[in-house]
Amino acid sequence: GNSVTQMEGPVTLSEEAFLTINCTYTATGYPSLFWYVQYPGEGLQLLLKATKADDKGSNKGFEATYRKETTSFHLEKGSVQVSDSAVYFCALTNMDSNYQLIWGAGTKLIIKP
Amino acid sequence: DTGVSQDPRHKITKRGQNVTFRCDPISEHNRLYWYRQTLGQGPEFLTYFQNEAQLEKSRLLSDRFSAERPKGSFSTLEIQRTEQGDSAMYLCASSLTSGRGSREQFFGPGTRLTVL
Repeated sequence: GNSVTQMEGPVTLSEEAFLTINCTYTATGYPSLFWYVQYPGEGLQLLLKATKADDKGSNKGFEATYRKETTSFHLEKGSVQVSDSAVYFCALTNMDSNYQLIWGAGTKLIIKP
Repeated sequence: DTGVSQDPRHKITKRGQNVTFRCDPISEHNRLYWYRQTLGQGPEFLTYFQNEAQLEKSRLLSDRFSAERPKGSFSTLEIQRTEQGDSAMYLCASSLTSGRGSREQFFGPGTRLTVL
């Protein structure tokens, strides 16, 4: 079946540090991959996406590359800010899931000034 | 178009009362999803519609929960005889799905339910 595994949090970093949040998946076929972000007290926002192998999604300084060979979609940012503190969810959809989102457990990111 | 909207944003009710939430999706989106999220957890799928048809409902969903999307536009989620365990954030999302696949889901701000 389909599943998404994320690194456990919380992840605590200092401002301007390099960020990596690992995400790996199990899926049939060719899933689309997503990162959603949830800021404190707010709803879920799509951060970035990639729909085929080797695609790189990017937004707000965040990047993630769809790696089919390693079934991964790791989220990276070169220099984090306090305002990046949030919970980050990795997710996928594919035809087998009838395009429903299959979610990772979420990774809480805390950035200290 | 301002995206997915939900109403109310907050609801406090007493145990045993019925509550109804509304979701207005992005206008051209044919799919509408309901999720529930408790503190510190990811979203839990409840049900979804394609146009006015309810295509799937979570097996974990109590019979006290019912959802409708009568004209394929807005949707309502009703919880009957609320219990304290129903306290959560209820999220609505919409997407455009065609024979070529599905685009990403866009989420509303959620309705936070507190059952006393």
